[in-house]
Amino acid sequence: AQSVTQLDSHVSVSEGTPVLLRCNYSSSYSPSLFWYVQHPNKGLQLLLKYTSAATLVKGINGFEAEFKKSETSFHLTKPSAHMSDAAEYFCVVSPTGTASKLTFGTGTRLQVTL
Amino acid sequence: NAGVMQNPRHLVRRRGQEARLRCSPMKGHSHVYWYRQLPEEGLKFMVYLQKENIIDESGMPKERFSAEFPKEGPSILRIQQVVRGDSAAYFCASSPITGANTGELFFGEGSRLTVL
Repeated sequence: AQSVTQLDSHVSVSEGTPVLLRCNYSSSYSPSLFWYVQHPNKGLQLLLKYTSAATLVKGINGFEAEFKKSETSFHLTKPSAHMSDAAEYFCVVSPTGTASKLTFGTGTRLQVTL
Repeated sequence: NAGVMQNPRHLVRRRGQEARLRCSPMKGHSHVYWYRQLPEEGLKFMVYLQKENIIDESGMPKERFSAEFPKEGPSILRIQQVVRGDSAAYFCASSPITGANTGELFFGEGSRLTVL
C-alpha cells in the first residue's frame, strides 16, 4: 500500500521569496516520487521525479526536491518565487517496477503575491 | 511533436445522457491511463489500457463506466446515464513502455464534464 500526504492545502508567498511545499509519503516498496504542477484549466506537467538515483532532484523552472528516506519526505523547494509559479502542485508516489498507477496527494495551491 | 490530445475539452450533459471522452496518446506511446479529478481533490486512477487490452480497471466504477483503446483510433472513456456526481475533470495520460514501469506519465489538458 502507498499513500501521500501534502501537509498544506494552501501556501502563500511573496514574489522573490523562497517556496517550500511539503510532502510525506508511505510506501511498502522503494518508491518513485514525483511532483506535478497544474495551472488553472490546464493539464498536469511533470516538474521533477525521483527514481532511486541522486536524492536531490532538480526539475524545471528552478524547482528541486530532496528525498529523505529517514523522514519519508519529498519536499519541493524553489529559492525565489515568480508570479508564474502560482498553480496547484501535486506530490505523487508510484511503486517502482510495477505498472503505472500513480497515487496523488490532495494538492497544494501556491499563491504568489507582489 | 503533439502531446496527449483530449476532446472535447468541455462537455455538458443532462442527467441520464451518455458522455464520450476521447484521448489520443503521444506519438509512439502505447499505454493510456484515465484519471478523474473531482472538485478540490487530487487525481484518482481509473483505468490503464494498452491497444485492444484493458490492463488494470481497478479504479473504474462497476456500473455505467467503460473504456477502450482500439487498434486504430483514440482511447474512449464512456459514461452511460450520467449523474451529477460524474461532474469532474477527466484526464488522460500516456506513456511509452518504460513509463509503465517508472510511473512517468504525460497528461492531456483534460475533459471537463458538467452534468446538469
